[in-house]
Amino acid sequence: AQKITQTQPGMFVQEKEAVTLDCTYDTSDQSYGLFWYKQPSSGEMIFLIYQGSYDEQNATEGRYSLNFQKARKSANLVISASQLGDSAMYFCAMREPYNFNKFYFGSGTKLNVKP
Amino acid sequence: DGGITQSPKYLFRKEGQNVTLSCEQNLNHDAMYWYRQDPGQGLRLIYYSQIVNDFQKGDIAEGYSVSREKKESFPLTVTSAQKNPTAFYLCASNPGQVPSYNEQFFGPGTRLTVL
Repeated sequence: AQKITQTQPGMFVQEKEAVTLDCTYDTSDQSYGLFWYKQPSSGEMIFLIYQGSYDEQNATEGRYSLNFQKARKSANLVISASQLGDSAMYFCAMREPYNFNKFYFGSGTKLNVKP
Repeated sequence: DGGITQSPKYLFRKEGQNVTLSCEQNLNHDAMYWYRQDPGQGLRLIYYSQIVNDFQKGDIAEGYSVSREKKESFPLTVTSAQKNPTAFYLCASNPGQVPSYNEQFFGPGTRLTVL
């Protein structure tokens, strides 16, 4: 079974608008971490934001926020005020620290920001 | 500066040849990982290592081999048994302690092309 599901292969957003990238996950562990990474065309993986399973508040990092709905097992990334430089692939990932520290990545969402 | 280095950035090999991809980190991390990424796809785990002299197969280990003789180094060998080795290879690390929730730190990647 897929551990991380990203159902939006590609998305477009107008510059300066907000966009939500969807992510659902599957785990039976109570303790886990959720991450979002950005991958520009250069290929490097850039860490954006982290949410722990026990965190009661949604994580925020500048223009990035994570909409964490534990009961629904979803961890959507919200990018506010999109910029042209936000055009990239975005990956959702989950870490199961008690499962050999494995990380699971989704298939990604390609975001295109239009001027 | 602490980080992960991968060399070379681009690698070409002929069919039937083994090739070794280098990954070095100076972050003093215990855990290291190798991922494969095909165009437009997510990351798939090849091998991972929690400590020196120990490593486990990931989801797509066939045709690959690794070693972990030093904490800083986790080289990946792509053998001639790997039927479709052309891909982007990413090395990653994290501190590895449980229940740490640190993100994965990634190297810049190596693009392997089989001619």
